[in-house]
Amino acid sequence: GQQLNQSPQSMFIQEGEDVSMNCTSSSIFNTWLWYKQDPGEGPVLLIALYKAGELTSNGRLTAQFGITRKDSFLNISASIPSDVGIYFCAGQLEAGGTSYGKLTFGQGTILTVHP
Amino acid sequence: KAGVTQTPRYLIKTRGQQVTLSCSPISGHRSVSWYQQTPGQGLQFLFEYFSETQRNKGNFPGRFSGRQFSNSRSEMNVSTLELGDSALYLCASNPQGGKNYGYTFGSGTRLTVV
Repeated sequence: GQQLNQSPQSMFIQEGEDVSMNCTSSSIFNTWLWYKQDPGEGPVLLIALYKAGELTSNGRLTAQFGITRKDSFLNISASIPSDVGIYFCAGQLEAGGTSYGKLTFGQGTILTVHP
Repeated sequence: KAGVTQTPRYLIKTRGQQVTLSCSPISGHRSVSWYQQTPGQGLQFLFEYFSETQRNKGNFPGRFSGRQFSNSRSEMNVSTLELGDSALYLCASNPQGGKNYGYTFGSGTRLTVV
């Protein structure tokens, strides 16, 4: 099935540093989503992207939907300790048929922020 | 408005037993998807329900089943539990299950099979 390759797998950064992570796919996705998950909780939606080339910000977070529709990146600026967690990218194929309700997830990026 | 509610939060079951998990979506959302999350396999899609009909299904054995009620609440059932079924089970709510809407997840049910 489809796979999303997310990198890096983990990051250890100092508070105040910027962070960048990305996802690539061999398939074309029509929606890209970025989630953050804290231990024992469900993923929380950070940014949703619905159009190729789209660049969207949510506070210190910025994400882009790649022009080829096969990749996306997430940047976090001026990291703070509460940014700690696991970040996931997720893609959805064109709505309909085998794509209904189905998100394909990356493996996650574990972010550690040192004060 | 209330988020996605999953009950129970934690469950411990014995091999061979069956289990039923519940998910109440955001009010007005008609699509409910279920996912299994394990350290080894990550987040894997189980199935999706819309208007009481299963529209999509992932690659899981028939021991995993679900249903949706007229109020959009959904349940998933796992029969003949195996040790490998231990996981965090998540449901996600969406207005229609298509694009142009983000999926909102519940906090999950942590199932431990012993």
